[in-house]
Parts: sequence; C-alpha cells; structure tokens
Amino acid sequence: QKEVEQNSGPLSVPEGAIASLNCTYSDRGSQSFFWYRQYSGKSPELIMFIYSNGDKEDGRFTAQLNKASQYVSLLIRDSQPSDSATYLCAVRTPGAGSYQLTFGKGTKLSVIP
Amino acid sequence: EAGVAQSPRYKIIEKRQSVAFWCNPISGHATLYWYQQILGQGPKLLIQFQNNGVVDDSQLPKDRFSAERLKGVDSTLKIQPAKLEDSAVYLCASSASRLAGETQYFGPGTRLLVL
Repeated sequence: QKEVEQNSGPLSVPEGAIASLNCTYSDRGSQSFFWYRQYSGKSPELIMFIYSNGDKEDGRFTAQLNKASQYVSLLIRDSQPSDSATYLCAVRTPGAGSYQLTFGKGTKLSVIP
Repeated sequence: EAGVAQSPRYKIIEKRQSVAFWCNPISGHATLYWYQQILGQGPKLLIQFQNNGVVDDSQLPKDRFSAERLKGVDSTLKIQPAKLEDSAVYLCASSASRLAGETQYFGPGTRLLVL
C-alpha cells in the first residue's frame, strides 16, 4: 500500500524564521512530488512540485527531494503569519490505469507574529 | 481562466438518504478527479476520469458511491445510501492530462454532514 507520512504538528515558528516541513513515502516507483497548502476551510492549492533529486527554489519556498532516502521536504524562508496553514505532501505513482496522487495527512504550520 | 466549480457547497442529510454532488472542471481539462477529505486527513482519491471514461476507481466504495462524466466535461458523484462515516469534504480536481507531472487544480469542495 502506498503511504505518505508527515508529522501532523502543529509546527510553530516565529515570524521571519525558516519553517521546515518533512515527508517520507513508501513507493520507490514514485515519480513526481507536490506540496499543497490548505487554509482552514479551503481547498488545497499547489505551492510547488519537484521531479528530480536535489533542490528547487521558488521565491521563499525550496523543495528538496532525495529519492534514495524516499524523502521530500519544503523549506519556507522568512515565514509570515499568512503562511499559517496545513501543508500537504502528495506523491504521484503509477496506479490502476494511470498515475495516482497519494496525499499525506498534512502538517499544520503556525507562524507566530 | 475560471477555476473548478462545485455545487452545492454544503449539504446536511440524514443517514440512509441519498445525495449528489456536481463538478465542472477547468475548460479543456481532460482529466477529472473526485477526492474525499475527512477532517484531519489528506484527500483520498475516489475516482479518476479521462474524458468520459473511468481510469481508476479502485478506492471507490462501489456499493454506495457512483460517479459519471457523460459528455467528458461535467461530473456527478452520488452517495446512496449515506452513512455517518461519509461526513467529509468532497473535492473535485482537474488536470490537462493524466501524465505523471501534470498539476491538479482543486475546486472549493462540498462539505457533507450525515446525521
């Protein structure tokens, strides 16, 4: 069974600090990795995705992928109170007839002003 | 560009009743997904359509859930009869294709409460 594990938190960081969110996955056939942000009562919105080992930067966000360790992380630099949300890690693996997106339970981030 | 539309936004029913949800994907998106998100959990895929055909319904409880996408655009998800454990947010998402790297865009969701 495909599993995506995240620490549920809450993770509290002071404003301006770096927030580090981690995710591990079980299926070595996983091919693409996504980070979604979900505000309370809202639907998930894509922050960024990564396919290759290494780092990918987009503004204040950096995604890191290590396929050998089956580990994905998201770093948020200069954290702002508006970053307070649940962050969902999602992993895309070949499934029945197509590619299936499997989500973790999410990590709740709280940025303290 | 208009996003994924869903209706209704909220629904309260009693157990054993039936309910239907509607989704209109982003224009031109061939792939449509229905997810169930229980409070405190990540979304779980129920069914995936490519145009009007089902490509993955392995996690759909077929004894009570059904879904269709007759003309390859709008989709309807039905629950009959509903159980207490069906209380969740039902999210519809769409993507341009079903390739591994394709981004899925989510609608606002339908919040279902079964009493």
